Amino acid sequence: DSGVTQTPKHLITATGQRVTLRCSPRSGDLSVYWYQQSLDQGLQFLIQYYNGEERAKGNILERFSAQQFPDLHSELNLSSLELGDSALYFCASSQGHLSSYNEQFFGPGTRLTVL
Amino acid sequence: AQKVTQAQTEISVVEKEDVTLDCVYETRDTTYYLFWYKQPPSGELVFLIRRNSFDEQNEISGRYSWNFQKSTSSFNFTITASQVVDSAVYFCALSEAGRDDKIIFGKGTRLHILP
Repeated sequence: DSGVTQTPKHLITATGQRVTLRCSPRSGDLSVYWYQQSLDQGLQFLIQYYNGEERAKGNILERFSAQQFPDLHSELNLSSLELGDSALYFCASSQGHLSSYNEQFFGPGTRLTVL
Repeated sequence: AQKVTQAQTEISVVEKEDVTLDCVYETRDTTYYLFWYKQPPSGELVFLIRRNSFDEQNEISGRYSWNFQKSTSSFNFTITASQVVDSAVYFCALSEAGRDDKIIFGKGTRLHILP
C-alpha cells in the first residue's frame, strides 16, 4: 500500500458528462501529480500541484481542470467527456519536487470509461 | 524538444537470465532528470529511480542496476537473475530543469519472465 488513495476506482459515464476524480496524498507529502494512461496516448503527465499551487502543467486539455485543497487532497475535473477520455488516471504524491531527490508514490488509479 | 525512446516493445526471457531494457533520450537542457517506473500486471505504477544529469555514476539496488551514459544519451536498466515477479511494463521518463516536474514518458517495454 503506497499510502496514496484515489476514488472512485471505476467510473462509467456517458459522453458530454462531467466527472470528478479524487486523490489523497500520503501524509506529509506536499506535491500531487496527475497522469493519464490510455492505449492511444500512453502514459502522460497532466498536472502537478505543490502545497496548493499549480506547479507544472503537461498535456492537459482545457476541458480538464484540477485543484489542490488546503488539506492537500486534490481533485481532477473532467468535463464535456469524449470517448477518447477513457483511460486510467493515476495520482501520485511526493514530499516535494522530483528535482530534489524525492520518491513518488502512486495511487491505484481510477479507470474511467466513457460510453 | 524532449523525447524518450524505448525501442524494445516487448521482451521475453527465461527466469534467472539477465535482461537489459534500453532507454534513449533527447533533450537540449544540460540539467535534466531521468526516471524508471514499473507497472506490474496488477496495474499500479511504482517509482524505481530518479537520476540527475550531473551524476553519471551507475546505480545498483539489489538485482536492479542502471547505466547512465550521457555520451550516448542512454539510461539503461538491467535486471540480474530475473524472476517471474519482474514481469511488468517498464517506463523510462525524462524531465528538464526549469520545467519543474513535467515528465515525458517513453512508450514502455513489456517484460515477460518465463518460468
